[in-house]
Amino acid sequence: KNQVEQSPQSLIILEGKNCTLQCNYTVSPFSNLRWYKQDTGRGPVSLTIMTFSENTKSNGRYTATLDADTKQSSLHITASQLSDSASYICVVSARFGGAGSYQLTFGKGTKLSVIP
Amino acid sequence: SQTIHQWPATLVQPVGSPLSLECTVEGTSNPNLYWYRQAAGRGLQLLFYSVGIGQISSEVPQNLSASRPQDRQFILSSKKLLLSDSGFYLCAWTPMNTEAFFGQGTRLTVV
Repeated sequence: KNQVEQSPQSLIILEGKNCTLQCNYTVSPFSNLRWYKQDTGRGPVSLTIMTFSENTKSNGRYTATLDADTKQSSLHITASQLSDSASYICVVSARFGGAGSYQLTFGKGTKLSVIP
Repeated sequence: SQTIHQWPATLVQPVGSPLSLECTVEGTSNPNLYWYRQAAGRGLQLLFYSVGIGQISSEVPQNLSASRPQDRQFILSSKKLLLSDSGFYLCAWTPMNTEAFFGQGTRLTVV
C-alpha cells in the first residue's frame, strides 16, 4: 500500500529561524514528489515538484531535497516569516493503470506556526 | 491560462439532506479530475478520480458519489448526508503527470 509519512506533525519556530520538514514514502512505481503549502481553509498551493533524477530544488526561501534510494524528502525553510505559518503537505505521484494515469498519495502534513 | 473553480466555499446542511458540490476547469481539455476530503487534523483522502467523461473511479466506499457530465465538470453528490460527511472538500485537476491544481475548497458542516 502506498504511504507517505511526514514529521513532525506540528512545529513552532521563531520568526527568522530556519526549519526542516521531513517526508518518507513507500510509493511504487515512483513518478515524482511534490511539496504543497496549504493555508487554513484554502486549497494547497505547489512549492516544488521533483522527479527521480532531481536531488534538490529551490523556490525562494524553500529548498526541497529528494533521496530516491532511501525514499526520503525534506523541505527546508530559510529565514522564516510569519506568512510561512501553514500546513506543508508532501505528495508522491505514482503511475497506475494505463498510460497517462497517475495517482497522488498525500501525507497528513506538518503544521508550521511561525511566531514573532 | 488554466483555472479551476469550486463552489460553494462553505455549506451547512442538515443530516439527511442532499449534497451537490461542483467543480469546473477552464483552459484545458480532457483533464484528470479528483475529489479529495480533508477531515480535521488529517491528511487529504482521495474520494474519486476521473480520466474522462462518464468515467469515475471510487477509492473508498462511502456515502458519496461523483459524476462527470462534461469534460471539464466534476460533481460530488450525496442523497442523504451523514454527520461523518463533514469536512473540507477539495477538487483538483492534473494535466497528465505534472502539476496538480486545487480549487479553493468547500467547508461542509453537517448538523
